[in-house]
Amino acid sequence: QVHLVQSGAEVKKPGASVTVSCKASGYTFSTYGFSWVRQAPGQGLEWMGWISAYNGNTIYAQKFQDRVIMTRDTSTSTVYLTLRSLRFDDTAVYYCARETGRSSRSSYYFQYWGQGTLINVSP
Amino acid sequence: SYVLTQPPSVSVAPGQTATITCEADNIGGEGVHWYQQKPGQAPVLVIHDDIDRPSGISGRFSGSNSGNTATLTISRVEAGDEADYYCQVWDTSLDVKVFGSGTKVTVL
Repeated sequence: QVHLVQSGAEVKKPGASVTVSCKASGYTFSTYGFSWVRQAPGQGLEWMGWISAYNGNTIYAQKFQDRVIMTRDTSTSTVYLTLRSLRFDDTAVYYCARETGRSSRSSYYFQYWGQGTLINVSP
Repeated sequence: SYVLTQPPSVSVAPGQTATITCEADNIGGEGVHWYQQKPGQAPVLVIHDDIDRPSGISGRFSGSNSGNTATLTISRVEAGDEADYYCQVWDTSLDVKVFGSGTKVTVL
C-alpha cells in the first residue's frame, strides 16, 4: 500500500527559504517520479515541477525555475522541495504527488498524493 | 503551453447527471486525467487516460475526450460528489504537467 507522508506546517518570513519533505513507502522508491503541486487559499492546483526518483533529474515550471530546488534521498525514500526567497503569495498548501509510468495514452498522471503541507508566509 | 479551461461551477440536483468540461485546442490528442478534491483534503484521481477508472472509484464517474473538449460525467449525482474537479494533461512539447482551472460541483 503506497503512502506519502509530508512534513508539518511551517510559518516563514518573506525572503526566507522553506524545505518540505515527502517520505514514500509501500513500493520501490526509484521506480516512479514525483511532482510538487501547490494550492493557494481558495485557488486551484498549480504544478511546480518534477523529480525523477531514479536519477534525480528535474524539470521545473518556468514560474519557479529561479527559486525552487527538488531533491531526493534514495536511502530514506524521501523527496524534498526547497523554495527560496519566499513571498506572501507563496502561502499555500504544498502537495507531493507520485506519478505513474507512461500510461495507456502515453501520458502521466498522479495516482498518489501526500496529505499536504501548509506554508504560511507572514511578516 | 496548454491552457485548460473549465467552467467555474456546475450545479446539479441529486440523482441527475453532472457534466464538467475541459477545453483546449486539440485536447483530444492528449490523455486527460481528472481529480476530485473535497475541502481540506488532497486531490483524488477519479479518471485517467480519458476514460479509465482507478479501482475503488464509483462507476458513476465516466470520461470522454474528443476534438477540443474533454468531459467528466457524474451520473446519479449524490451529495458526497460535491467537490472541486480538475482536469490535467501532460504537455509533451514542454514536458510539463498542466491543471485546468477547476470546477466546483454543487449538489442542490
